[in-house]
Amino acid sequence: EPEVTQTPSHQVTQMGQEVILRCVPISNHLYFYWYRQILGQKVEFLVSFYNNEISEKSEIFDDQFSVERPDGSNFTLKIRSTKLEDSAMYFCASSEGSRQGGGNQPQHFGDGTRLSIL
Amino acid sequence: ELKVEQNPLFLSMQEGKNYTIYCNYSTTSDRLYWYRQDPGKSLESLFVLLSNGAVKQEGRLMASLDTKARLSTLHITAAVHDLSATYFCAVAEFGNEKLTFGTGTRLTIIP
Repeated sequence: EPEVTQTPSHQVTQMGQEVILRCVPISNHLYFYWYRQILGQKVEFLVSFYNNEISEKSEIFDDQFSVERPDGSNFTLKIRSTKLEDSAMYFCASSEGSRQGGGNQPQHFGDGTRLSIL
Repeated sequence: ELKVEQNPLFLSMQEGKNYTIYCNYSTTSDRLYWYRQDPGKSLESLFVLLSNGAVKQEGRLMASLDTKARLSTLHITAAVHDLSATYFCAVAEFGNEKLTFGTGTRLTIIP
């Protein structure tokens, strides 16, 4: 069964450094997402991406964050200058399509990247 | 702002018993999802509920949706140890792809 893959599985970074988290969504999916989960807490939406642009972003997704789809397969999340509070598990997800487009499928999540900021 | 609440937050139950997890949400929605998460792992999709009165069943789990009450339930029948995990409901508002997750219910099945 096709799956969303994320790399690295664990990233340790000094505060203030830039970090790039990588994702390969499922190949025929059109919508891409990043979520994060601080240890022991609920999953929080960061950003959704469709047709090569951001379709929605949350308050968490400030100017320090950016997303990119540099080629036909990868989807990246960049944090420009990391803060201690950015430590979390970051999940990438993808889905086939929207409700309006007739797609009723769930978002499929990758295994996550655990980001630790020192 | 859409709010999604689950209860209970923690649930310890014996094998063989039945129990229900509740998910309430604050605004109209056209899609509700249930996910399972094992410790340190990703989110596994369990059910997609799209319409009022929808009921889906897979093994010992059954999910239902009441859009008028803005309530979904996940019912566990004759629990077994393998069902120990954290269960999240997630809601998408009309015309929106973003999922708002509930707080999660950590389920522990005791032999």
